[in-house]
Amino acid sequence: GAVVSQHPSRVICKSGTSVKIECRSLDFQATTMFWYRQFPKQSLMLMATSNEGSKATYEQGVEKDKFLINHASLTLSTLTVTSAHPEDSSFYICSASGGRGDSYEQYFGPGTRLTVT
Amino acid sequence: AQKITQTQPGMFVQEKEAVTLDCTYDTSDPSYGLFWYKQPSSGEMIFLIYQGSYDQQNATEGRYSLNFQKARKSANLVISASQLGDSAMYFCAMRDYGNNRLAFGKGNQVVVIP
Repeated sequence: GAVVSQHPSRVICKSGTSVKIECRSLDFQATTMFWYRQFPKQSLMLMATSNEGSKATYEQGVEKDKFLINHASLTLSTLTVTSAHPEDSSFYICSASGGRGDSYEQYFGPGTRLTVT
Repeated sequence: AQKITQTQPGMFVQEKEAVTLDCTYDTSDPSYGLFWYKQPSSGEMIFLIYQGSYDQQNATEGRYSLNFQKARKSANLVISASQLGDSAMYFCAMRDYGNNRLAFGKGNQVVVIP
Protein backbone atom coordinates (compact mmCIF):
# COMPACT_ATOMS: atom_id res chain seq x y z
CA GLY A 1 0.00 0.00 0.00
CA ALA A 2 0.92 3.67 -0.11
CA VAL A 3 3.47 4.92 2.39
CA VAL A 4 3.15 8.05 4.47
CA SER A 5 5.91 9.22 6.76
CA GLN A 6 5.94 11.70 9.61
CA HIS A 7 8.84 13.53 11.13
CA PRO A 8 9.71 13.72 13.93
CA SER A 9 8.22 10.65 15.58
CA ARG A 10 8.68 12.19 19.01
CA VAL A 11 9.41 15.73 20.09
CA ILE A 12 9.74 17.41 23.43
CA CYS A 13 9.65 21.18 23.52
CA LYS A 14 9.43 23.94 26.08
CA SER A 15 6.29 25.91 26.65
CA GLY A 16 6.11 28.93 24.40
CA THR A 17 8.15 27.50 21.55
CA SER A 18 6.87 26.37 18.17
CA VAL A 19 7.10 22.87 16.72
CA LYS A 20 6.83 21.79 13.10
CA ILE A 21 5.65 18.32 12.12
CA GLU A 22 6.11 17.07 8.59
CA CYS A 23 3.88 14.62 6.76
CA ARG A 24 5.12 13.15 3.49
CA SER A 25 3.57 10.82 0.97
CA LEU A 26 6.53 8.79 -0.24
CA ASP A 27 5.23 6.97 -3.29
CA PHE A 28 2.15 8.83 -4.42
CA GLN A 29 0.86 12.34 -4.89
CA ALA A 30 -1.44 13.40 -2.10
CA THR A 31 -4.00 15.91 -3.26
CA THR A 32 -5.51 16.00 0.20
CA MET A 33 -3.93 15.59 3.61
CA PHE A 34 -5.65 15.37 6.94
CA TRP A 35 -4.35 16.16 10.40
CA TYR A 36 -5.70 14.38 13.46
CA ARG A 37 -5.08 14.73 17.15
CA GLN A 38 -5.39 11.92 19.65
CA PHE A 39 -5.29 12.26 23.42
CA PRO A 40 -4.37 9.18 25.50
CA LYS A 41 -7.00 6.45 25.36
CA GLN A 42 -9.24 8.57 23.16
CA SER A 43 -10.25 8.56 19.55
CA LEU A 44 -8.76 10.43 16.64
CA MET A 45 -10.20 13.89 16.22
CA LEU A 46 -9.91 15.56 12.84
CA MET A 47 -8.23 18.93 13.15
CA ALA A 48 -8.08 20.10 9.57
CA THR A 49 -8.14 19.12 5.93
CA SER A 50 -5.61 20.55 3.54
CA ASN A 51 -5.61 20.49 -0.23
CA GLU A 52 -2.43 21.14 -2.13
CA GLY A 53 -2.04 24.77 -2.98
CA SER A 54 -4.99 26.06 -1.00
CA LYS A 55 -5.75 27.06 2.56
CA ALA A 56 -6.59 24.38 5.06
CA THR A 57 -10.13 23.86 6.28
CA TYR A 58 -10.21 23.68 10.06
CA GLU A 59 -12.72 21.80 12.16
CA GLN A 60 -14.85 23.68 14.60
CA GLY A 61 -12.96 24.55 17.75
CA VAL A 62 -9.48 24.22 16.23
CA GLU A 63 -7.52 27.47 16.31
CA LYS A 64 -6.08 28.06 12.87
CA ASP A 65 -3.58 30.62 14.19
CA LYS A 66 -2.25 28.13 16.67
CA PHE A 67 -2.12 25.11 14.38
CA LEU A 68 -0.65 26.36 11.11
CA ILE A 69 -1.00 23.96 8.22
CA ASN A 70 0.85 24.26 4.95
CA HIS A 71 0.38 21.94 1.98
CA ALA A 72 2.81 23.41 -0.48
CA SER A 73 3.40 20.34 -2.62
CA LEU A 74 1.67 17.11 -3.54
CA THR A 75 3.95 15.14 -1.25
CA LEU A 76 4.37 17.35 1.79
CA SER A 77 2.16 18.94 4.40
CA THR A 78 3.37 20.54 7.60
CA LEU A 79 1.64 21.24 10.89
CA THR A 80 3.20 23.92 13.06
CA VAL A 81 2.08 24.17 16.66
CA THR A 82 2.79 27.77 17.58
CA SER A 83 3.51 28.92 21.12
CA ALA A 84 2.99 25.42 22.41
CA HIS A 85 1.61 24.83 25.88
CA PRO A 86 1.40 21.66 27.97
CA GLU A 87 -2.23 21.18 26.96
CA ASP A 88 -1.04 20.81 23.36
CA SER A 89 0.79 17.64 24.33
CA SER A 90 -0.81 14.93 22.26
CA PHE A 91 -0.33 12.39 19.49
CA TYR A 92 -0.65 14.00 16.07
CA ILE A 93 -1.36 11.80 13.07
CA CYS A 94 -1.59 12.78 9.44
CA SER A 95 -3.19 10.93 6.58
CA ALA A 96 -2.96 11.44 2.86
CA SER A 97 -5.23 10.58 -0.01
CA GLY A 98 -5.17 10.76 -3.77
CA GLY A 99 -3.50 9.15 -6.72
CA ARG A 100 -3.52 5.46 -5.97
CA GLY A 101 -6.43 3.12 -6.71
CA ASP A 102 -9.37 4.50 -4.81
CA SER A 103 -8.43 8.15 -4.80
CA TYR A 104 -10.40 8.72 -1.64
CA GLU A 105 -8.51 6.13 0.42
CA GLN A 106 -6.64 7.66 3.35
CA TYR A 107 -3.18 6.37 4.21
CA PHE A 108 -1.98 7.16 7.70
CA GLY A 109 1.42 8.25 8.88
CA PRO A 110 2.98 6.68 11.97
CA GLY A 111 2.19 9.68 14.15
CA THR A 112 4.16 12.24 16.13
CA ARG A 113 4.09 12.31 19.90
CA LEU A 114 4.44 15.88 21.14
CA THR A 115 5.28 16.63 24.76
CA VAL A 116 5.32 20.24 25.89
CA THR A 117 7.08 20.85 29.20
CA ALA B 1 -23.63 14.87 11.05
CA GLN B 2 -22.01 11.51 11.25
CA LYS B 3 -21.79 9.53 14.44
CA ILE B 4 -19.93 6.32 15.18
CA THR B 5 -20.66 4.40 18.36
CA GLN B 6 -18.41 1.83 19.95
CA THR B 7 -19.56 1.11 23.47
CA GLN B 8 -17.94 -2.14 24.52
CA PRO B 9 -15.56 -1.97 27.44
CA GLY B 10 -12.11 -3.46 27.20
CA MET B 11 -12.19 -7.08 26.14
CA PHE B 12 -10.05 -10.04 27.05
CA VAL B 13 -9.99 -12.78 24.45
CA GLN B 14 -8.49 -16.22 24.67
CA GLU B 15 -5.90 -16.93 22.01
CA LYS B 16 -7.37 -18.81 19.00
CA GLU B 17 -10.90 -17.72 19.92
CA ALA B 18 -13.00 -15.37 17.77
CA VAL B 19 -14.00 -11.91 18.94
CA THR B 20 -16.69 -9.55 17.70
CA LEU B 21 -16.33 -5.80 18.05
CA ASP B 22 -19.52 -3.78 17.79
CA CYS B 23 -19.94 -0.61 15.78
CA THR B 24 -23.10 1.29 15.01
CA TYR B 25 -23.31 4.40 12.93
CA ASP B 26 -25.70 7.14 12.10
CA THR B 27 -25.82 9.02 8.84
CA SER B 28 -28.37 10.49 6.48
CA ASP B 29 -26.12 10.05 3.48
CA PRO B 30 -27.08 7.26 1.09
CA SER B 31 -23.48 6.67 0.06
CA TYR B 32 -20.79 6.07 2.65
CA GLY B 33 -17.90 3.80 3.51
CA LEU B 34 -17.12 1.98 6.73
CA PHE B 35 -13.63 1.15 7.91
CA TRP B 36 -11.95 -0.69 10.73
CA TYR B 37 -8.47 0.26 11.87
CA LYS B 38 -6.13 -1.36 14.37
CA GLN B 39 -3.92 0.80 16.55
CA PRO B 40 -1.25 -1.06 18.52
CA SER B 41 0.62 0.61 21.35
CA SER B 42 3.12 2.03 18.84
CA GLY B 43 0.36 4.36 17.65
CA GLU B 44 0.25 3.64 13.94
CA MET B 45 -3.17 3.25 12.36
CA ILE B 46 -3.36 -0.02 10.45
CA PHE B 47 -6.17 -0.42 7.93
CA LEU B 48 -7.99 -3.71 8.34
CA ILE B 49 -11.14 -3.81 6.26
CA TYR B 50 -13.56 -1.68 4.25
CA GLN B 51 -17.28 -1.96 3.49
CA GLY B 52 -19.08 0.26 1.02
CA SER B 53 -22.70 1.14 1.70
CA TYR B 54 -23.78 -0.35 -1.61
CA ASP B 55 -21.75 -3.54 -1.31
CA GLN B 56 -24.04 -6.55 -1.39
CA GLN B 57 -21.67 -8.89 0.38
CA ASN B 58 -19.94 -8.60 3.70
CA ALA B 59 -16.29 -7.70 3.37
CA THR B 60 -13.62 -10.20 4.37
CA GLU B 61 -9.84 -9.82 4.63
CA GLY B 62 -8.04 -12.87 5.92
CA ARG B 63 -9.00 -13.33 9.58
CA TYR B 64 -11.10 -10.17 9.54
CA SER B 65 -14.69 -10.06 8.43
CA LEU B 66 -17.27 -7.34 8.67
CA ASN B 67 -20.84 -8.15 9.62
CA PHE B 68 -22.65 -5.37 7.78
CA GLN B 69 -26.30 -4.92 8.65
CA LYS B 70 -27.38 -1.84 6.77
CA ALA B 71 -30.92 -1.66 8.11
CA ARG B 72 -29.60 -1.75 11.66
CA LYS B 73 -26.75 0.58 10.77
CA SER B 74 -24.20 -1.72 12.26
CA ALA B 75 -20.80 -2.80 11.01
CA ASN B 76 -19.33 -5.25 13.49
CA LEU B 77 -15.81 -6.56 13.06
CA VAL B 78 -15.14 -10.23 13.61
CA ILE B 79 -11.59 -11.38 14.23
CA SER B 80 -11.25 -15.12 13.94
CA ALA B 81 -8.54 -17.27 15.53
CA SER B 82 -7.18 -14.45 17.71
CA GLN B 83 -3.43 -14.10 18.00
CA LEU B 84 -1.37 -12.40 20.69
CA GLY B 85 -0.44 -9.75 18.14
CA ASP B 86 -4.09 -8.78 17.83
CA SER B 87 -3.89 -7.01 21.18
CA ALA B 88 -4.58 -3.37 20.30
CA MET B 89 -7.19 -0.65 20.09
CA TYR B 90 -9.68 -1.10 17.26
CA PHE B 91 -11.44 1.86 15.70
CA CYS B 92 -14.51 1.89 13.52
CA ALA B 93 -14.73 4.81 11.12
CA MET B 94 -17.10 6.13 8.52
CA ARG B 95 -16.33 8.18 5.45
CA ASP B 96 -18.75 10.59 3.93
CA TYR B 97 -18.22 10.49 0.19
CA GLY B 98 -19.28 14.07 -0.04
CA ASN B 99 -16.16 15.43 1.62
CA ASN B 100 -13.89 12.43 2.14
CA ARG B 101 -13.63 13.03 5.87
CA LEU B 102 -13.33 10.14 8.29
CA ALA B 103 -15.26 10.10 11.57
CA PHE B 104 -13.96 7.69 14.19
CA GLY B 105 -15.61 5.88 17.04
CA LYS B 106 -14.09 5.86 20.52
CA GLY B 107 -12.44 2.51 19.96
CA ASN B 108 -12.41 -0.92 21.55
CA GLN B 109 -9.47 -2.21 23.58
CA VAL B 110 -8.74 -5.87 22.92
CA VAL B 111 -6.26 -7.93 24.90
CA VAL B 112 -5.53 -11.45 23.71
CA ILE B 113 -4.42 -13.79 26.46
CA PRO B 114 -2.53 -17.03 25.94
